[in-house]
Amino acid sequence: QLQLQESGPGLVKPSETLSLTCTVSGGSISDRSYYWGWIRQPPGKGLEWIGNVDYSGGAYYNPSLKSRVTMSVDTSKNQFSLRLSSMIAADTAVYYCARVRWRGELTDAFDVWGQGTIVSVSS
Amino acid sequence: IQLTQSPSFLSASVGDRVTITCRASQGISSYLAWYQQKPGKAPKLLIYGASTLQSGVPSRFSGSGYGTEFTLTISSLQPEDFATYCCQQLNSYPPLFTFGPGTKVEIK
Repeated sequence: QLQLQESGPGLVKPSETLSLTCTVSGGSISDRSYYWGWIRQPPGKGLEWIGNVDYSGGAYYNPSLKSRVTMSVDTSKNQFSLRLSSMIAADTAVYYCARVRWRGELTDAFDVWGQGTIVSVSS
Repeated sequence: IQLTQSPSFLSASVGDRVTITCRASQGISSYLAWYQQKPGKAPKLLIYGASTLQSGVPSRFSGSGYGTEFTLTISSLQPEDFATYCCQQLNSYPPLFTFGPGTKVEIK
């Protein structure tokens, strides 16, 4: 059974760069059938898609975050990562990683999610 | 593409039939998914393609709709169904996988 687990710092200072990693177990990140995504949820608010990355490192980002986001894949460790620069208080959120079915078909969805990791931005 | 949901809050009893509506600002064909989220937990995929039940999801959940208006129906609300439900569109390219604001279903 596929499982995803986020890891990274729970506290980041303003203007610093957030680095999060999602470790995939029970399946291969090199599976070309899927993308791998990051989503966040500020306290008491809705979900916001951050971006998707595929096994080769090809990535798509939310235009509202594109200037600050980098996503990458490490197939040797079965992990993918998120870097978000110039962090501000509004970036405080629970950050989730997810497996993404995305082929422009009606099966498209975010079908497996990590448990989420809380990231606070504060000095 | 923006998504709105109605109602934003719903109070219901066990056994009730519940319907949640999701509207898209422009047509998205059937590229819509529904998720259930319980407090402190990750979202769980319920329905994709507007009406296809994800494996393992109880048959009391159903989805319908096309274009700009979609519904999620729970035919007989169970205690474990009290949660927040949100829709997501997957139609846009370049991708911008927007989520709806959510509908919180609470016990009456």
